Amino acid sequence: GPKVLQIPSHQIIDMGQMVTLNCDPVSNHLYFYWYKQILGQQMEFLVNFYNGKVMEKSKLFKDQFSVERPDGSYFTLKIQPTALEDSAVYFCASSFSYEQYFGPGTRLTVL
Amino acid sequence: GDSVTQTEGPVTVSESESLIINCTYSATSIAYPNLFWYVRYPGEGLQLLLKVITAGQKGSSRGFEATYNKETTSFHLQKASVQESDSAVYYCALGLQQGTGSKLSFGKGAKLTVSP
Repeated sequence: GPKVLQIPSHQIIDMGQMVTLNCDPVSNHLYFYWYKQILGQQMEFLVNFYNGKVMEKSKLFKDQFSVERPDGSYFTLKIQPTALEDSAVYFCASSFSYEQYFGPGTRLTVL
Repeated sequence: GDSVTQTEGPVTVSESESLIINCTYSATSIAYPNLFWYVRYPGEGLQLLLKVITAGQKGSSRGFEATYNKETTSFHLQKASVQESDSAVYYCALGLQQGTGSKLSFGKGAKLTVSP
């Protein structure tokens, strides 16, 4: 079936650095999402994105976070600067309708 | 607020036995959320197992079924006879807006192990 790809699969960075997580969504999808899962906790919604704009963001989507999808390329989540509490697995998803297709996740470790 | 409470793993069932994974929800931001079961097989990404967007309806896929019960705010996942290949982590989720593009609220997941 359709696949969402995420690059990289694992990223280790020092606190205060910038990181960009990349998502290659399903080609004809219109809606894009980021979710965050801290070890041992449930996956939580961060943000959704449609037609070049953020639709909604949760309280977890701090001011240091930003998303974009320039010219139909990767859908990216940028964190600048990173903090220790940003360590988590970040899942990208895309959808055309109700069904969201998820990527395998990027494990971010902030030291 | 909006939340999902589900059976948490591990759940161990013998092959050909029946299965039920409980899911109840609380939805304060929307009267009738869309309801989903997602599954993550070992080594794979999260994928949709089944969905129901109308209260009172039943969804089914791969022998699994779940009924949207608005009276009890439940959406339990059932299967009459499980197979070893059903071993996976199962997540109940709410769609918190009407229509497409809705954010999802997930339960913590139930890890199912089916023994031969």
